[in-house]
Amino acid sequence: DTAVSQTPKYLVTQMGNDKSIKCEQNLGHDTMYWYKQDSKKFLKIMFSYNNKELIINETVPNRFSPKSPDKAHLNLHINSLELGDSAVYFCASSQVDFGGFALHFGNGTRLTVT
Amino acid sequence: TQLLEQSPQFLSIQEGENLTVYCNSSSVFSSLQWYRQEPGEGPVLLVTVVTGGEVKKLKRLTFQFGDARKDSSLHITAAQTGDTGLYLCAGTEWTDKLIFGTGTRLQVFP
Repeated sequence: DTAVSQTPKYLVTQMGNDKSIKCEQNLGHDTMYWYKQDSKKFLKIMFSYNNKELIINETVPNRFSPKSPDKAHLNLHINSLELGDSAVYFCASSQVDFGGFALHFGNGTRLTVT
Repeated sequence: TQLLEQSPQFLSIQEGENLTVYCNSSSVFSSLQWYRQEPGEGPVLLVTVVTGGEVKKLKRLTFQFGDARKDSSLHITAAQTGDTGLYLCAGTEWTDKLIFGTGTRLQVFP
């Protein structure tokens, strides 16, 4: 039933490690996103993919590499994790229609880097 | 870089009170959305406004898009404890890139 699901929900790791977050949507949407929410709850777009093609890349360090194997999946791999990467990462999807578009978010992955 | 400033940042009120949250920018947006986020969950869309001056009502919530399409407000009448959450405005400039506001944390006490 879940529209946008991401795993894991919590991720605790040490500096320097590499980790991945997976995201899947069953809404049939063409566009998927990764957003980062900091400790002040500010949501900032990181990447956007449309039908497996990178559309938006918002000045994110190249330690972050998104991968979209198909339009229902958008994974995020992070190399050499740093303390400042600690945040909640949200995956989202959208479809443009007559009424515009709306983002459908997953429930987030809380990443803690120690 | 577009910036959407929300005010107030925090709001703590009692059930039954009315409140207004503001979302302001110096940029013009083609559409503006409001989301509500509860702890441990992702934001959920409440409304989209697309026409300058547009007013939309969703039960006790009233949303307005400014005439110049640079600002918006959310008014809640007779707040309930279930309204507690983080309210986020978000705007787009004729693309599918959504820029989020700074957020307003609302706490409604019984």
